[in-house]
Amino acid sequence: DQQVKQNSPSLSVQEGRISILNCDYTNSMFDYFLWYKKYPAEGPTFLISISSIKDKNEDGRFTVFLNKSAKHLSLHIVPSQPGDSAVYFCTGAGSYQLTFGKGTKLSVIP
Amino acid sequence: DAGVIQSPRHEVTEMGQEVTLRCKPISGHDYLFWYRQTMMRGLELLIYFNNNVPIDDSGMPEDRFSAKMPNASFSTLKIQPSEPRDSAVYFCASSFYPGELFFGEGSRLTVL
Repeated sequence: DQQVKQNSPSLSVQEGRISILNCDYTNSMFDYFLWYKKYPAEGPTFLISISSIKDKNEDGRFTVFLNKSAKHLSLHIVPSQPGDSAVYFCTGAGSYQLTFGKGTKLSVIP
Repeated sequence: DAGVIQSPRHEVTEMGQEVTLRCKPISGHDYLFWYRQTMMRGLELLIYFNNNVPIDDSGMPEDRFSAKMPNASFSTLKIQPSEPRDSAVYFCASSFYPGELFFGEGSRLTVL
């Protein structure tokens, strides 16, 4: 039972354009959400988070949107840069645990 | 300040052998997590500790897996006996609170 779903395993975007990574969740008990970024042969690193009481959080080129009624969140990267090429994990947090999606591999093409 | 340190980075062993993975969390972090990453299942939580005490081990797949945290600066994940299906990347992570985790670089295990 996947509580956090990232339905797109991969995404390719041209440098300078917007990247939109999507995530759906089923667990209503998640009280905040995080995005992690992972480069090959490295551990995931925290990117941005959002509390369940908000619908938007912005940090530089990265913005996360949360639609609680649809149980959907998205990560926007604008403008996309080649260094953003990585696997992005959507994560739901609740009851002192994180539940990770399977990740979306983003490739930003120069 | 050093991040989460894991060893070994790579381990190749034969089925039936004992495997021990090690983790040194970031100093001052109260929480320590062990995750396993596979292509099929993604990142799965195996077990986590708070102040050296195991809180939830429901993700540990079988009795062949065990984890300990004898002190605040060291944890081990042991697999005995190992099987080919245990092949994965095992991550250790630590945090002040169970939200923003700091991950190690992972231990890639291959069981032949």
